[in-house]
This record gives sequence, C-alpha cells and structure tokens, in this order.
Amino acid sequence: AQSVAQPEDQVNVAEGNPLTVKCTYSVSGNPYLFWYVQYPNRGLQFLLKYITGDNLVKGSYGFEAEFNKSQTSFHLKKPSALVSDSALYFCAVRVPGSSNTGKLIFGQGTTLQVKP
Amino acid sequence: ETGVTQTPRHLVMGMTNKKSLKCEQHLGHNAMYWYKQSAKKPLELMFVYSLEERVENNSVPSRFSPECPNSSHLFLHLHTLQPEDSALYLCASSPVAGGGNEQFFGPGTRLTVL
Repeated sequence: AQSVAQPEDQVNVAEGNPLTVKCTYSVSGNPYLFWYVQYPNRGLQFLLKYITGDNLVKGSYGFEAEFNKSQTSFHLKKPSALVSDSALYFCAVRVPGSSNTGKLIFGQGTTLQVKP
Repeated sequence: ETGVTQTPRHLVMGMTNKKSLKCEQHLGHNAMYWYKQSAKKPLELMFVYSLEERVENNSVPSRFSPECPNSSHLFLHLHTLQPEDSALYLCASSPVAGGGNEQFFGPGTRLTVL
C-alpha cells in the first residue's frame, strides 16, 4: 500500500539550532513530494516540493529538503530554527498515476516546538 | 490565505440538520479539493473537481454531497451527519489537478456534530 510516514509526533529544538523533520514514503514509481506547514487555526501553507532534478530543494522561510531515493526519504531541514517556526508540519506525496486528480497522500504530521 | 476563503469558520450542527460549507478561490485555478482533518489522523482527501467535473470521490459517505457550480466555488452539503464527522474541513485549489502543482489551502471550517 502507498503511504507516507513521519516517525516523530513531536520534535523539540532550541532556537538557533538546526532542525530536521523526518519523512519517508512508500509508493511505486517516481513520486512528487511536498512539505506543508500548518499554524494554529490556519490552513496548510506550501513550503517546498521535489519533482525532479537536484535532490536538494529550497523553499520558503529558509527551509530545505533532501530527496533520497535509495532511502525513500524526504527530510525537512533548516540550519537555524526560529521560535516562529513552531507549527505542525506535513509531508505529502502525489500518487503516481493520479495525473488527472492530483491526489496527495499525507503523513500524520509532526509538531515542531522551538524553544527560546 | 486570502487566495482561498472558507465560510463559515465554525459550525455546530445536530445530526438531523442540513448545512453547507462554502469555499471560494480567487487564484484562477481549475482544480478544487475537499479534505477532512481529524485529530491524530492524516489529512483525508474527500473529493476532487477539475474544470467543474468531479474526478475523485474517495469513498466518502453519501451524507456528504459536493457541488462545484464554477471553477471558483466549491460547496460541501451536509445532512444527517454523525458525531464522528466532527473535524476540520479544508478546501484547496491548484492550477490544474495533477502534475507537480502544489495545492493552496483555505483556513478550514471547524465542524462539530452533536
């Protein structure tokens, strides 16, 4: 079955330290991968995506993610965390073969807590 | 978030009520989506519309009835819901359905079914 896993329910980091939010996927074919962030009482906001090309993609607010095909991972990273980065982060994969629907499979989300 | 708006933001309804959720996108997109977000569960895709045609119904019970009168508006009509239907309902849009396009989300409607 196709799936996306975010193995950590919560990640805690100190402000100024690097952060990593993990994501692994299990789909057949070549996936399109996405990261979204959700602040309290808000909808999801797009951060970045991997479609093809360079395995390291850069996105909004200083975030980046590295696509690793052999490990089927797409971890989200930031060199220096800010308190304002505290939010709920979702990894998502577009299902191969869903070219006419854009169907996404989402992970269960990881809460990032950045402490001053 | 002004690109995709949803009304109402909060809704409380009884199991015998009929209500509707509204979504409007101001981005000129051709695809619109309904998602359900429940606590401790991944987002669940409910419906996808492309150019006002429904192209995905993700095994959603018939008590949820979508409507897309034009590419800018999307409704979710609700009737005889169950308490387990209480959740945050998110609307999203994208330039087209599929491809590498990201989806733009509205703020959601928090639904409580009593």
